Amino acid sequence: EAQVTQNPRYLITVTGKKLTVTCSQNMNHEYMSWYRQDPGLGLRQIYYSMNVEVTDKGDVPEGYKVSRKEKRNFPLILESPSPNQTSLYFCATSLAGAVFSYNEQFFGPGTRLTVL
Amino acid sequence: GENVEQHPSTLSVQEGDSAVIKCTYSDSASNYFPWYKQELGKGPQLIIDIRSNVGEKKDQRIAVTLNKTAKHFSLHITETQPEDSAVYFCAARALSGGGADGLTFGKGTHLIIQP
Repeated sequence: EAQVTQNPRYLITVTGKKLTVTCSQNMNHEYMSWYRQDPGLGLRQIYYSMNVEVTDKGDVPEGYKVSRKEKRNFPLILESPSPNQTSLYFCATSLAGAVFSYNEQFFGPGTRLTVL
Repeated sequence: GENVEQHPSTLSVQEGDSAVIKCTYSDSASNYFPWYKQELGKGPQLIIDIRSNVGEKKDQRIAVTLNKTAKHFSLHITETQPEDSAVYFCAARALSGGGADGLTFGKGTHLIIQP
């Protein structure tokens, strides 16, 4: 079954404690992306990756890091989480990310993060 | 960069009635407009999309219309059912901003179907 998985699904942590949210896909997609969803603000892109070892900033990258060492995995790293990073996070993938492509984005189930 | 405005933020309709959600975009270069449905506790899922060379597209009870001149597009759901209750996001793809695939999302509409 084609799917995007995220772990953990729920996480409560404290300010400054490094954490990683994992994302994995089994569709052999080149393009992967991270979004955060906040009430009244919709979905905002944090980082994206066109392929292995190729990553770039989205609209709200401050406070986040990513890596893409393998095609199937795209972890999101918060080196020193702060309360303003409390949010619902989604990983998304698509076949390719070329401009003017019409590829559907497939979203993971989400990770709800609370930073105290 | 692209800016997408979505209205209303909340929409309540009686079961069986129609629902319309409207979006406007700012970048005339945008050429792809998908709609996503997000059910409670799940990630958004594509339900329908339209390209800039088409004015209308229909799939059973849902349809999307696009007015390039006015830079707005709308989602129409007819004969609404309880399972249509969800948050709906519109998006637009432009040359600049929103990552390599250029998708910029609206803020979402919470659709409530009243029994």
